Amino acid sequence: EPEVTQTPSHQVTQMGQEVILRCVPISNHLYFYWYRQILGQKVEFLVSFYNNEISEKSEIFDDQFSVERPDGSNFTLKIRSTKLEDSAMYFCASRQDPSGANVLTFGAGSRLTVL
Amino acid sequence: GESVGLHLPTLSVQEGDNSIINCAYSNSASDYFIWYKQESGKGPQFIIDIRSNMDKRQGQRVTVLLNKTVKHLSLQIAATQPGDSAVYFCAEINSGSARQLTFGSGTQLTVLP
Repeated sequence: EPEVTQTPSHQVTQMGQEVILRCVPISNHLYFYWYRQILGQKVEFLVSFYNNEISEKSEIFDDQFSVERPDGSNFTLKIRSTKLEDSAMYFCASRQDPSGANVLTFGAGSRLTVL
Repeated sequence: GESVGLHLPTLSVQEGDNSIINCAYSNSASDYFIWYKQESGKGPQFIIDIRSNMDKRQGQRVTVLLNKTVKHLSLQIAATQPGDSAVYFCAEINSGSARQLTFGSGTQLTVLP
């Protein structure tokens, strides 16, 4: 079964450092998403991406965050200068085009620990 | 603001019993709802979905009920098994172009032997 893959599975970084989380969405999917989940809390929307541009973003997704799809395969989330409160699980998800299913398929997540 | 939330944070059931997990939503404009299961250390996994023009949908061992009058969603799991132990989230899809999900707070289901 097709799956969304994420790397790394766990990253530990110092506050103020840049972090890049990588995702390989399902190959025929066109919509891509990043969500995060702080430990013990609900999954929160960060950003959606379609046709090589951001289509929606939440209040969490401030200027410290950016996304790109540099090579048509990987979908990356960059945090420019990490803060302690960025510690969370970050989930990538993808979805087929609007004529397809509404269901998002999630990756297993990347755990980010900011010290 | 509008949100999706769950009534109970934890639920314990005996193996073999039926489980019912509830969810309240407040965005009457939502047109699509999904239940996700999240096992420890894993990403959310799709269980079942329902459109707002339906009030019931059945899958394998799972049934989702939608009551738009009171903005209530429930997930019923028949003959609950140990492998069903997980956190269950309801989520709504907004009507925007990106069709992003808004998740509820989650219910931890524990299946007792």
